[in-house]
Amino acid sequence: GAVVSQHPSRVICKSGTSVKIECRSLDFQATTMFWYRQFPKKSLMLMATSNEGSKATYEQGVEKDKFLINHASLTLSTLTVTSAHPEDSSFYICSAPGRGAKNIQYFGAGTRLSVL
Amino acid sequence: SQQGEEDPQALSIQEGENATMNCSYKTSINNLQWYRQNSGRGLVHLILIRSNEREKHSGRLRVTLDTSKKSSSLLITASRAADTASYFCATASSSNTGKLIFGQGTTLQVKP
Repeated sequence: GAVVSQHPSRVICKSGTSVKIECRSLDFQATTMFWYRQFPKKSLMLMATSNEGSKATYEQGVEKDKFLINHASLTLSTLTVTSAHPEDSSFYICSAPGRGAKNIQYFGAGTRLSVL
Repeated sequence: SQQGEEDPQALSIQEGENATMNCSYKTSINNLQWYRQNSGRGLVHLILIRSNEREKHSGRLRVTLDTSKKSSSLLITASRAADTASYFCATASSSNTGKLIFGQGTTLQVKP
């Protein structure tokens, strides 16, 4: 199966700092990865599509300067929450389409971000 | 944007009973998928049903799709305590961009 690793699993930071979250495809290459945000007891909200070697595509209402996405290699995408504020506290999850069945997504374990 | 509505939002049953969750969507789809999420974890793919399929089985899972009503259901038979989780439907659009749009989810509790 396809494995996606997400790191860190939990981060607590002070308001105003930046936090980087990594998403790696461990045993396959992913030219595309997806970043989601999930509020407690809510569904996943697609934030952006990360494209290897080019700019990310952001969903409507998502601030691209706030949530910086870099997809510099075929196995790594990063999401940086810049100048984090308490309202950015959330559960962030990445996914990548698997080999072959491209519509099936393989998810990282998620990152719980708490901004104090 | 979230296009899926799921019901019920929460479901509590006894071990051994069947659990049925429903999902509705709004746009044309290429396929519909169901995912499971344990609390505080990522999602795990369960089953995919294509737009030209009406029913699909995988182990204790049975999925139906009615494209005329834009709805799907997930049936888990002979539930176990380990089935306790949140279940989400997700649709892939007919434009096949790879993006998935998730429903609101159903939280299932299976009591031992």
